[in-house]
Amino acid sequence: EIVMTQSPLSLSVTPGQPASISCKSSQSLLQGDGKTYLYWYLQKPGQSPQVLMYEVFRRFSGVPDRFSGSGSGTDFTLKISRVEAEDVGVYYCMQGIELPYTFGQGTKLEIK
Amino acid sequence: QLQQSGPGLVKPSQTLSLTCAISGDSVSSNSADWNWIRQSPSRGLEWLGRTYYRSKWFYDYAVSVKSRIIINPDASKNQFSLQLNSVTPEDTAVYYCVRDSNWGLFDNWGQGTLVTVSS
Repeated sequence: EIVMTQSPLSLSVTPGQPASISCKSSQSLLQGDGKTYLYWYLQKPGQSPQVLMYEVFRRFSGVPDRFSGSGSGTDFTLKISRVEAEDVGVYYCMQGIELPYTFGQGTKLEIK
Repeated sequence: QLQQSGPGLVKPSQTLSLTCAISGDSVSSNSADWNWIRQSPSRGLEWLGRTYYRSKWFYDYAVSVKSRIIINPDASKNQFSLQLNSVTPEDTAVYYCVRDSNWGLFDNWGQGTLVTVSS
């Protein structure tokens, strides 16, 4: 199965400052259709996970534009341009190119 | 919307059973897959399996649980269920039912059910 590795595992950020999370996959997530099936999910405290980004850089409906995704092949990054208090939680990357779908270990974002 | 139901406590060696009722969509949709995912401190988020309808029903299961799991759609009630047999304390986790609208785009999650395996 594809292994997803995130770093760092925790972040403490001052509101208004940027944040960046890295995700690496053990094999390329580029599918034959030209799409790359890399997702980012956020699990806010006490809630179910929710999708933020799909196909690397596409923001899901309602996701603020301070969130952006980039990368290709096996290396990906989620960036928050200006962290807000509501962004606290655990961020997960996930691959959707093959079964079993697999998640990274999660990156916990806290506010300073 | 996905609404989960089922017991929160199961004895070792018995069967874990959860149901996910769907509203606003159809379990027989040709454009959605219906998944079960669990989350535990030791294993993180773990995809367990899915069912979907494309002129007939299909099923996929994670190798780690393949010998013990059944995901069953019920079109008459617009719901799907999870059955995990011969549970051990390692199966203690929060279980989620999840809609996949496109190759891992998990855009709708149930509220989660904490299932504890203990005697």
